[in-house]
Amino acid sequence: AQTVTQSQPEMSVQEAETVTLSCTYDTSESDYYLFWYKQPPSRQMILVIRQEAYKQQNATENRFSVNFQKAAKSFSLKISDSQLGDAAMYFCAYRRTGTASKLTFGTGTRLQVTL
Amino acid sequence: GAVVSQHPSRVICKSGTSVKIECRSLDFQATTMFWYRQFPKQSLMLMATSNEGSKATYEQGVEKDKFLINHASLTLSTLTVTSAHPEDSSFYICSARSDHKETQYFGPGTRLLVL
Repeated sequence: AQTVTQSQPEMSVQEAETVTLSCTYDTSESDYYLFWYKQPPSRQMILVIRQEAYKQQNATENRFSVNFQKAAKSFSLKISDSQLGDAAMYFCAYRRTGTASKLTFGTGTRLQVTL
Repeated sequence: GAVVSQHPSRVICKSGTSVKIECRSLDFQATTMFWYRQFPKQSLMLMATSNEGSKATYEQGVEKDKFLINHASLTLSTLTVTSAHPEDSSFYICSARSDHKETQYFGPGTRLLVL
């Protein structure tokens, strides 16, 4: 079974600084998707970034980028120029390809942004 | 990104009553919908997966007679908590995905309090 591990329960970053959230996963599949979702205090789950495993290039979305290491099964999220609005719970998630597949979530990392 | 709505956002009910939660995909056809439950400071726990026009598939340990799921159309799924008890109090989140999209989009969640 696939598992997703987020080893950092909490992280803190100063405004305008950069922070990296870690995520590792375990799978025997070669083709799959990886996601980072953000859950702010409103509890609305928001997609931050998505990575297809067959793509070697790391995904980027404005201030958010990933470091995808397929061999190491690592998928970290880098947030640059952190803003107060980035404070939230961040969940890493895995899904194999196929219409019947389900998301497997990590336990989450709570990010605090300080002035 | 795609929009998923959920209604109601919060509900308070008496023990023994039934509560229905609606989940709608507003701008895409959701061939698959998912229902999650989230306890405070925890990750999302998948309850069931439903495909339009067919019976839902429940995760192990989830009572299908207690949590009735209907996915009658490509834009609407409902979760009915039957004979609710205080231990059913939780945050329920729906999610939807199209066969044509790799990403799952989430509703804003429903906070259920059973007195």
